[in-house]
Amino acid sequence: KNEVEQSPQNLTAQEGEFITINCSYSVGISALHWLQQHPGGGIVSLFMLSSGKKKHGRLIATINIQEKHSSLHITASHPRDSAVYICAVRLSGSARQLTFGSGTQLTVLP
Amino acid sequence: KAGVTQTPRYLIKTRGQQVTLSCSPISGHRSVSWYQQTPGQGLQFLFEYFSETQRNKGNFPGRFSGRQFSNSRSEMNVSTLELGDSALYLCASSLGGVIVSVYEQFFGPGTRLTVL
Repeated sequence: KNEVEQSPQNLTAQEGEFITINCSYSVGISALHWLQQHPGGGIVSLFMLSSGKKKHGRLIATINIQEKHSSLHITASHPRDSAVYICAVRLSGSARQLTFGSGTQLTVLP
Repeated sequence: KAGVTQTPRYLIKTRGQQVTLSCSPISGHRSVSWYQQTPGQGLQFLFEYFSETQRNKGNFPGRFSGRQFSNSRSEMNVSTLELGDSALYLCASSLGGVIVSVYEQFFGPGTRLTVL
């Protein structure tokens, strides 16, 4: 079983829809990252969370440490939001490296 | 501030050769991490350097090595290339420090390595 599970793997939405991507993890973590990867490979860090909720523009990220679960929400989705969204957790303890989910391919249709 | 830069952006090598990839972090960042991304395995952690010292290493064979210089620039080397080493290699920099988790990572554009 992967330490970081994302769902769904693929998501197609119409422009304007509210989108949710989920991430569950099974290990102790010190932080959780949401990353965005566009075709061509470049990765942008969207959020780094250790508790609660963060908002940036139309993006909202939440984390529930007790349930080991995080969600990324996109409000009023737009075709330019089409990308792969990756959840990554930073392990707690001496390891501390990032462990990644398999990603969610989001396509937003006009 | 300039972002993280990686050179070269694309590279084609043949099996058995070795390759060196370079990463220049954001000015002032002292931590550099390297990752491998393949269609089959996704993103995987290779190693992390902080102040010229390797602080963490992922589960990769000894053919994969790296180093960090006093100006925080980092290189990774892969010796005796195999077909399975074809991947996008990404580096990321952060401020680093004792509490690494506090600091956000900034990714470079990656080096796409093709092994023939």
